[in-house]
Amino acid sequence: GAVVSQHPSRVICKSGTSVKIECRSLDFQATTMFWYRQFPKQSLMLMATSNEGSKATYEQGVEKDKFLINHASLTLSTLTVTSAHPEDSSFYICSAREGQDHEQYFGPGTRLTVT
Amino acid sequence: GQNIDQPTEMTATEGAIVQINCTYQTSGFNGLFWYQQHAGEAPTFLSYNVLDGLEEKGRFSSFLSRSKGYSYLLLKELQMKDSASYLCVIMDSNYQLIWGAGTKLIIKP
Repeated sequence: GAVVSQHPSRVICKSGTSVKIECRSLDFQATTMFWYRQFPKQSLMLMATSNEGSKATYEQGVEKDKFLINHASLTLSTLTVTSAHPEDSSFYICSAREGQDHEQYFGPGTRLTVT
Repeated sequence: GQNIDQPTEMTATEGAIVQINCTYQTSGFNGLFWYQQHAGEAPTFLSYNVLDGLEEKGRFSSFLSRSKGYSYLLLKELQMKDSASYLCVIMDSNYQLIWGAGTKLIIKP
């Protein structure tokens, strides 16, 4: 099946710094990528949907200036958490889809800890 | 290698019971999740098992046997709204999520 990777798998950063998380589709071209946030034992919360070459669509309550999403190519999307705070500590998961009628494949997640 | 197997598709009748199986081979184990995903929506958390045994939550139950690398999700009193994909997800020793391909459950009246 299709593979989606994320890098880094785990990151610790200091409060006030920015951290970038990469999401790659390894064997298919992802026209759409999704970014989720997950709190322990809870459902994935969709943060934003990004289509290659266009601006991301953010869900209500998600600050677009804080969570910068770039989907510059058909195989790469990045999420940058700017001026991170301890409450941003979470598990961030991306998923990718080749087209509207295609399966959605999930990445392994990135655990962010802000100290 | 890491591998999660679950049936691609299952069909059941409204009011009946269905069991969705999941077998896995992963590098380490830190828990197994079941998620429900309706088309076009984000996955919804259903259950988390880290110890062997059965966890019951309303109409849904999840079972885990770590020695067998096996889990199942049991849905009782099926309703039409239960038509969805059910994802078996393992957290490995590095706390990374390994996603199964999902089982599409079709409920018929």
